[in-house]
Amino acid sequence: DVKVTQSSRYLVKRTGEKVFLECVQDMDHENMFWYRQDPGLGLRLIYFSYDVKMKEKGDIPEGYSVSREKKERFSLILESASTNQTSMYLCASSFSGQVTRYFGPGTRLLVL
Amino acid sequence: QKEVEQNSGPLSVPEGAIASLNCTYSDRGSQSFFWYRQYSGKSPELIMFIYSNGDKEDGRFTAQLNKASQYVSLLIRDSQPSDSATYLCAVSGGYQKVTFGIGTKLQVIP
Repeated sequence: DVKVTQSSRYLVKRTGEKVFLECVQDMDHENMFWYRQDPGLGLRLIYFSYDVKMKEKGDIPEGYSVSREKKERFSLILESASTNQTSMYLCASSFSGQVTRYFGPGTRLLVL
Repeated sequence: QKEVEQNSGPLSVPEGAIASLNCTYSDRGSQSFFWYRQYSGKSPELIMFIYSNGDKEDGRFTAQLNKASQYVSLLIRDSQPSDSATYLCAVSGGYQKVTFGIGTKLQVIP
């Protein structure tokens, strides 16, 4: 059974803090993705990675960075959290050339 | 900017009826089209994907694609209360960068 796990379900941070969101998948997927989901805006791609140490910007990368040092793990970093980064963050993974099928449970981040 | 347009709803249908969910997209180069179902508080779940013009059926679900009109739809036959969820339309030129619509909330009334 494929599992995509995220480090936290709920997170409360202060403005200006550095925030780490971690995602781990256990299916040896090449591709990993970070999305944020906001009411009225839908799911938007922040970054994705198609291999270890490889990354590509999605549609809304500003204010975020990512790290993929191991194949199974993809981290999203908010260098200096701001209130407009309050959102639901979803990680996903897939094999190269296959549809994105597996999502993690999500992390609901509140930045105060 | 690639766009995927969906009516946010809610779309209300009685139990047993056909629910019709629609989606239009702006990028003519899109090649892959997906429907995800998302229950409240849960992650999206892939339910259908289609690449070619025409219909694709899977159980009670039928995905329809018209590339000339840049239109994708999802039909749910014999709608059940358990089908009540938000349905996300998504398109991609390949598989890696998928653009999602805002989703249509479906309510199936018993």
